[in-house]
Order: sequence, then structure tokens, then C-alpha cells
Amino acid sequence: EPEVTQTPSHQVTQMGQEVILRCVPISNHLYFYWYRQILGQKVEFLVSFYNNEISEKSEIFDDQFSVERPDGSNFTLKIRSTKLEDSAMYFCASSSGSGAGELFFGEGSRLTVL
Amino acid sequence: AQTVTQSQPEMSVQEAETVTLSCTYDTSENNYYLFWYKQPPSRQMILVIRQEAYKQQNATENRFSVNFQKAAKSFSLKISDSQLGDTAMYFCAFMNPSWGYQKVTFGTGTKLQVIP
Repeated sequence: EPEVTQTPSHQVTQMGQEVILRCVPISNHLYFYWYRQILGQKVEFLVSFYNNEISEKSEIFDDQFSVERPDGSNFTLKIRSTKLEDSAMYFCASSSGSGAGELFFGEGSRLTVL
Repeated sequence: AQTVTQSQPEMSVQEAETVTLSCTYDTSENNYYLFWYKQPPSRQMILVIRQEAYKQQNATENRFSVNFQKAAKSFSLKISDSQLGDTAMYFCAFMNPSWGYQKVTFGTGTKLQVIP
């Protein structure tokens, strides 16, 4: 069964460093998303991406964040200068956009900022 | 703005028993989707069940069923004959469908422990 894969599963970084989280969505999906979950809190929407551009972003997704689909298969989230409060589990998701509403999630990338 | 509230941070149930997880939401929309997602420990979230707001009939998927009360904006999940593999975090979620993208709003989750 096709699935969304994410790398790395866990990354530890120093505050102020750049981090890139990678995702391979399901191949025939058209919509891609990043969500994050700070420990013990709810899953929060960050950004959605369609047709090679951002279609919606939350107030969390400030100028420190960017997304890219560099090669038609990977979908990346870059945090330019990490802050302590960026420590969270980051989930990539994709959907076919057929209107059924189901998101397919990856296993998540845990980011720890020291 | 849509909000989703899960008032039970943790619950436990004996194996083979039935448990109900609560969820309420707030929206001014008339057409929307509601979901329950399951996140087992160290695993990805998977969709358990989905309900379209325009459907009056409650959705059912094997041992999982919902009690959808649109007027009360309530969407509870019932798990019958609980199994050890049901141990997971359960998230209630809301989506307002719009062409082009599908932003989902999640609740804070309920951690369910099935006890042997």
C-alpha cells in the first residue's frame, strides 16, 4: 500500500541552525501539507501546497519557514534559523484532492532544538 | 474560525469492552467533514472514520461508529469490542471542503489505553 515517507525520523540541532525536513508524498497525490505537533498539544496546520505553490498557510508559518517540491517527488520543509519553540513533531501529509477529505500522513520527523 | 475540542485527555478500557470518545466542534459552516484519526505509538496517523455533515446517518466502520449530532455540534467515536491494537492517540478533526486545498483542524487528542 502506498505511503508517505519522511526523513529524518529525529533531528537534533542547535538554535539558529537551518533544518530541512524531507517528505515523499504518495505518487499520484496533488496536495501536500505540513503539520506540526508540539509535545502534548494538538496537531497544528502549517502549510498546504498545490501546483507548485503555497495554497494556504497558518500564522505559524512565518518567514523562517519555506516549502519546496524540488524534483517532482520530494516535498521539503525548511526552517531557516531554528528557535527553541520549533521543537516539535512535524508531519507531512498528502491527499488526492478528490474532495473525500482523507489526508495520508507520514510517521513524522521529531525536531529537537537545543 | 473552526475549533475542535476533545475534553478527555486520557481514557482506558478493558479489552473487549466498549468505549466512547467525545468531540465537540464549533463552526458556522453547513457543509463540512468530520474525522477520527488514530495515531498508534511511534506510528503515523491513519484515518479511522469519516462523516459528511450533510448525511444524517451515522458512519460505521466495523467496530468503529460515530454519534453525529449536528445541531449540538457533537461527534463522538464509539469503539466496540476493544482490542489491544486500539491503544493509540485519537484525534477528532474538522474540514471545510473547498476546491484546491483541504485544511484540517485537529483537536488535542485523547490517549486511549486498552487494558488486557
